[in-house]
Amino acid sequence: NAGVTQTPKFRVLKTGQSMTLLCAQDMNHEYMYWYRQDPGMGLRLIHYSVGEGTTAKGEVPDGYNVSRLKKQNFLLGLESAAPSQTSVYFCASSYSTTAEQPQHFGDGTRLSIL
Amino acid sequence: AQKVTQAQTEISVVEKEDVTLDCVYETRDTTYYLFWYKQPPSGELVFLIRRNSFDEQNEISGRYSWNFQKSTSSFNFTITASQVVDSAVYFCALTHTGGFKTIFGAGTRLFVKA
Repeated sequence: NAGVTQTPKFRVLKTGQSMTLLCAQDMNHEYMYWYRQDPGMGLRLIHYSVGEGTTAKGEVPDGYNVSRLKKQNFLLGLESAAPSQTSVYFCASSYSTTAEQPQHFGDGTRLSIL
Repeated sequence: AQKVTQAQTEISVVEKEDVTLDCVYETRDTTYYLFWYKQPPSGELVFLIRRNSFDEQNEISGRYSWNFQKSTSSFNFTITASQVVDSAVYFCALTHTGGFKTIFGAGTRLFVKA
């Protein structure tokens, strides 16, 4: 059972570079989420998707874009990376509405922006 | 506004001690769900328990127990006879019915020393 798979696991970028983080889930979940985890702040929601072709902003969406072209994949893009985006990024998925179902998380992507 | 507070940033105990992790939440909703997740050193978040706002029964699962008290807006987590493998960051989280956003606490890092 792969569950939720994130690639890459580590990445170092220079300020201004762009990159895409990939999240794939094999559980046929409708809902997918991108979070960032910073020391002392828990997890904060960046963007989420309630189904293929739909995305919505979370708590801290600025500087990020997302796409959900296929149900199993949820991509997080940084168009012009900034040092403030240095963080650990987690992708999660759930079967239905978050309120009832627990989320299944990937292993995280540690991203450093120099 | 919704908020989850985990006032204990770090806790250190010796193996076999009991330890309680505190979680206090704020919400104006009458229907909501509370969660606990564990993040071991490997990084991925693992779901431990879900409790809805209408179910104030305490729950025990092996060495883990949870105390939900609506009157004090608390959902505390106790580990009995702690083990080194319990060392992790533990997150308390809140979602209201119909919402897609989960609010996480800042987490409590638990160190269990042999």
